[in-house]
Amino acid sequence: QVQLQESGPGLVKPSQTLSLTCTVSGGSISSGSYYWSWIRQPAGKGLEWIGRIYTSGTTNYNPSLKSRVTISVDTSKNQFSLKLSSVTAADTAMYYCARDNWGEVGYYFDYWGQGTLVTVSS
Amino acid sequence: DIQMTQSPSSLSASVGDRVTITCRASQSISSYLNWYQHKPGKAPKLLICGASSLQSGVPSRFSGSGSGTDFTLTISSLQPEDFATYYCQQTYSTPTWTFGQGTTVEIK
Repeated sequence: QVQLQESGPGLVKPSQTLSLTCTVSGGSISSGSYYWSWIRQPAGKGLEWIGRIYTSGTTNYNPSLKSRVTISVDTSKNQFSLKLSSVTAADTAMYYCARDNWGEVGYYFDYWGQGTLVTVSS
Repeated sequence: DIQMTQSPSSLSASVGDRVTITCRASQSISSYLNWYQHKPGKAPKLLICGASSLQSGVPSRFSGSGSGTDFTLTISSLQPEDFATYYCQQTYSTPTWTFGQGTTVEIK
């Protein structure tokens, strides 16, 4: 059973860089043809896809965040990471990592982490 | 971007009720539509992918239908564990995925 766990600082100051890591257990991050995604949810709002990475290093980003987002992968640690620069209060949200699977019916997030709350405040 | 609009945004229902949630896409997305269930403090759970394919282990009281722009998630007989927020997600516009704003199912 694949499990994902987000980790990182819960409080980030405005204008700084938010950094989170997702640790994958129960399987190798390199096995299979999966992308690995980050998704966030501001309080009281819906889900927003941030971006994803393939284990080859290929990335795709939400155009609305692309200029500030970097997603990387460390296959030796079975982890992938998110960096979001120049954060503001609008970036305060619950951040989730998820496995982006693909089949005949298209892409879908079949495994998710429980999420980590990041607050942007001085 | 493809916009996804869910209705209603919330509903109150009783155990045993039939519940229907609608998701509308701003343009045709074929059948590239997924449904998730989200409970507070827990990881979202995939219920249905490809508009109507039930994920393994998901109770058969959940069903999905639709194609093009209009989709429906139906819970045939609401159970206590089904009280949650439900989201639709389009995966037509690779790879910029978008979600509906969510529908919260509350106890009546």
